[in-house]
Amino acid sequence: DAEITQSPRHKITETGRQVTLACHQTWNHNNMFWYRQDLGHGLRLIHYSYGVQDTNKGEVSDGYSVSRSNTEDLPLTLESAASSQTSVYFCASSDLFKRTDTQYFGPGTRLTVL
Amino acid sequence: AQSVTQPDIHITVSEGASLELRCNYSYGATPYLFWYVQSPGQGLQLLLKYFSGDTLVQGIKGFEAEFKRSQSSFNLRKPSVHWSDAAEYFCAVDMDSSYKLIFGSGTRLLVRP
Repeated sequence: DAEITQSPRHKITETGRQVTLACHQTWNHNNMFWYRQDLGHGLRLIHYSYGVQDTNKGEVSDGYSVSRSNTEDLPLTLESAASSQTSVYFCASSDLFKRTDTQYFGPGTRLTVL
Repeated sequence: AQSVTQPDIHITVSEGASLELRCNYSYGATPYLFWYVQSPGQGLQLLLKYFSGDTLVQGIKGFEAEFKRSQSSFNLRKPSVHWSDAAEYFCAVDMDSSYKLIFGSGTRLLVRP
């Protein structure tokens, strides 16, 4: 069955370190998204991509970057981790050519920055 | 700015009672509308969605939602709540057909035995 996976599921890091969160989907979806979830804010969009070599900034992109070198993967990098980036991160994907389809979410990565 | 409002942070209902979770959005045109559910420690699961047509939408697990254009609302309902429905519920909106979702802040549902 097609799926979307995230790794690691839990990560503890220190302020100033570079961190990369992986997202891999086997749906063959063109669209991929990264969100962060914080109490009282729901999910907020960090970055998104509509296909290979395409990346776009979302609502809360400062301090984050992504790259899309193939259809299956959209890794999220925190260039210099800050305590304010402690959060739960969700990756999602959707089909560019099925407009009435929905986004499929991964299980999430809980990141703690000390 | 475009936004999605879920005015109830927490709701507690008794098992077997009916449920309505509120969702309002601010946007001039009709957006695409979604309700997701999140169980503790889990990802998000789609309950139902509205794109066009019949304004009463049926979803999984016995949930339904009604789109009311005049009120910019998309409230989620269930006639009889089960203990397994305890979770957090998120309303989400695609405002400009861009595939990007704007989420409400969520409503946590507690179910009394």
